[in-house]
Order: sequence, then structure tokens, then C-alpha cells
Amino acid sequence: GENVEQHPSTLSVQEGDSAVIKCTYSDSASNYFPWYKQELGKGPQLIIDIRSNVGEKKDQRIAVTLNKTAKHFSLHITETQPEDSAVYFCAASRSLGAALIFGKGTTLSVSS
Amino acid sequence: GAVVSQHPSWVICKSGTSVKIECRSLDFQATTMFWYRQFPKQSLMLMATSNEGSKATYEQGVEKDKFLINHASLTLSTLTVTSAHPEDSSFYICSARGASWNEQFFGPGTRLTVL
Repeated sequence: GENVEQHPSTLSVQEGDSAVIKCTYSDSASNYFPWYKQELGKGPQLIIDIRSNVGEKKDQRIAVTLNKTAKHFSLHITETQPEDSAVYFCAASRSLGAALIFGKGTTLSVSS
Repeated sequence: GAVVSQHPSWVICKSGTSVKIECRSLDFQATTMFWYRQFPKQSLMLMATSNEGSKATYEQGVEKDKFLINHASLTLSTLTVTSAHPEDSSFYICSARGASWNEQFFGPGTRLTVL
């Protein structure tokens, strides 16, 4: 079955710096890759996603890149703010509506 | 976006008792609901997938007789943890997907503590 690896497990940056989180997946049939932000005691919230027919997608300060050949995708957050501090999860699935396989999460801390 | 609620948000129970957790789609009809379990500082692990009106499909290693899932309507799915034990203490999260779109929307989670 699918296996999603996520790195790093923790990331500390200064406010205004960029943060990059990377994930790799094993199932070549996966074609939907969402990223979620989870705050303490809450459910995950979708922040951006990408499908396999696209190499990059951007939404304001957040961008995601996908390399299908290498089976890895990355989340880029620019101009980080303290409110960006949370746990971020990458995930993969074979289709947009299928069950998601999650990475282990990255705890991002943005200090002012 | 679509809203998914869970009830209760947290529950404490004694070992050996059963606990029911509800997952509701508030403003859309959810043809499919997913149940995940998350241990402290760990990732979300898929437990089962339920489609309205049919039996749930459980992931390998998840006991279907212990984690009973019912998806009797297009807006409600329930997860019942039967004969709960301390090792069942976890954060249980549901997500729902509508018939008109494919994105999953997650509930806020239910914190279960078994004493």
C-alpha cells in the first residue's frame, strides 16, 4: 500500500523567513496530494492541494510543487508569521475523493 | 466550505464501557465518510471508510467488532468504541465527502480518554 514520508518532523524559523516541508510517496498510482494544517485540539484544515497533472500551484504565501518522476512533493511557505505555527501534514491518495494516507507531520514554529 | 461537526468534542469513560461518537455533515449530503485515529503527536491513521447505506470497509488491523461504524443517513455517521480500554484513548477524527464534489472536509475531532 501507499507510504508517505515527511521531513522534517520539526521546523523552527524566524518571522519573515521561508519554510519548506518535503514529502515522498511510494504508490505511483497516487495522483492527489493535499496539505493540511492542524492546530492543537482541532481537526486538520486543507490549505492547498495539487493533482498529478500540475507541477506547481500557488496561493498567496503558500505554494506546492510536485515531481511525479521522483515521487516527491513539497510545501513552501514564504514570509512566515507566528500564526503559521501549527502541525502540517502532507497526504496522498489515488483520487480526489479516495481515502488519504498521511505523512507523520511537521511541527512548524515561527518566532517573532 | 462545507462544515462537518463531531459530538462530543471530548469524552471520558471507564474501562469496559462503550462510547458513541457522531459525525455530521451540516450543509451537504455526505455519501462517504472516513474515520481516522490520531495518537498524541502522531499522524492520522485511517480506520475505516463508510458509504451511506452500506457496511463500512475497515483498514487492516482495525477490529470491526470493536469499532462499530454506522452510516445510516446522508448526514450522519457514528463510531461506537465497544468495551473501551485505556489503549483506545485517542483523538478520533471524521471526514466527509459529498456526491457533488470530491474534496474531504474534516470534523474538529473527538478526544476519548478511557480510565
